[in-house]
Amino acid sequence: GENVEQHPSTLSVQEGDSAVIKCTYSDSASNYFPWYKQELGKGPQLIIDIRSNVGEKKDQRIAVTLNKTAKHFSLHITETQPEDSAVYFCAAKATNAGKSTFGDGTTLTVKP
Amino acid sequence: GAVVSQHPSRVICKSGTSVKIECRSLDFQATTMFWYRQFPKQSLMLMATSNEGSKATYEQGVEKDKFLINHASLTLSTLTVTSAHPEDSSFYICSARVPGQPYGYTFGSGTRLTVV
Repeated sequence: GENVEQHPSTLSVQEGDSAVIKCTYSDSASNYFPWYKQELGKGPQLIIDIRSNVGEKKDQRIAVTLNKTAKHFSLHITETQPEDSAVYFCAAKATNAGKSTFGDGTTLTVKP
Repeated sequence: GAVVSQHPSRVICKSGTSVKIECRSLDFQATTMFWYRQFPKQSLMLMATSNEGSKATYEQGVEKDKFLINHASLTLSTLTVTSAHPEDSSFYICSARVPGQPYGYTFGSGTRLTVV
């Protein structure tokens, strides 16, 4: 089955700095890679996703890059704000797979 | 956008009792619903996948008789934790596949279950 590893487990940055979270996956059949933000006591919310036919996708301050050859993808948050503080999860899914495999999460703290 | 409403958000129950958690898709029909369990500071662990009108598919190690899943309609799926014990205390989250979006999933807001 798919195995997703996520690093770092915790990340602390100053407001305005950039944050990068990285994930690797094992199943070459995976072709969809979403990123979720989970605030305390709430369910995850999709913030950005990328499919395997694209190398990079950007949405305002967040971007995701994908390296299919190396089987890794990354979340980039620029100009971080305190409200970006949350737990971020990456996931990987193949078209014929009913479920997504999640990384272990990264707790991001943005210090004002 | 597609919204899944999950209730209750928090529940405290006594050991030995049963608790039902509901997830409703508000503006779409959810043919497939996923149920997750999340321990503090850990990732989401898939418990089971339910399809409307059929039996749920449970992940390895998940007790079918303890975690009863019912997906009787296209807008409602329920998870019942039977004979709850303190070790069942956890955060339970549902997720539904959004029609027309092969990769699109939306999550409920989660239920914090505490068994005392």
